[in-house]
Amino acid sequence: DIQMTQSPSSLSASIGDRVTITCQASQDITIYLNWYQQKPGKVPKLLISDASNLETGVPSRFSGAGSGTDFTFTISSLQPEDVATYYCQQYDDLPRFTFGPGTKVGVK
Amino acid sequence: ELVESGGGLVQPGGSLRLSCAVSGFTVSDNYMSWVRQAPGKGLEWVSVIFGSGATYYADSVKGRFTISRDSFKNTVYLQMNSLSLEDTAVYYCARVTVHWFDPWGQGTLVTVSS
Repeated sequence: DIQMTQSPSSLSASIGDRVTITCQASQDITIYLNWYQQKPGKVPKLLISDASNLETGVPSRFSGAGSGTDFTFTISSLQPEDVATYYCQQYDDLPRFTFGPGTKVGVK
Repeated sequence: ELVESGGGLVQPGGSLRLSCAVSGFTVSDNYMSWVRQAPGKGLEWVSVIFGSGATYYADSVKGRFTISRDSFKNTVYLQMNSLSLEDTAVYYCARVTVHWFDPWGQGTLVTVSS
């Protein structure tokens, strides 16, 4: 089974700060890596697919990069509405879908 | 739009069937999945049904849960048997687009408790 790790598990940053979350897969998953945002009490929302493709309507301050086993998710300038938990998710051919444990992002 | 229903309180060892009524696209032409989230925890994929009808499950529910669909009602189901405390969660229905989940339903809460 492919395992997903995320770091950090939580962070607190100031408005306007650059925030970076990493996601690591235990095996090569090429670019089959997606990112979701889940605000408190809300449904998860897809932000980025295939490691770096920003979904329509998602602000450009969000970005993703990486391939293979190492991926990053970046918020270039943290906004108050970005307070949420962010999850990475991979897919393999078993088929099996695996989410990372999540990164809780807060504002100082 | 995806609208889940069927959640509620059930005793350990009991059964429950969740429904996901879909509008705007045809379930039989898409991959449909269930994802759950235990209280205060992360997201866990549960099951997927392909357009071909093939079904797959997470190891944690294999042999206990069954995913199915009704093309006439354009609805996806999750039959959950032998429920345990660890199955307590919000259950989301979602379409699988390529290999990601979008859109999602609003979720339905399943509570397993005596």
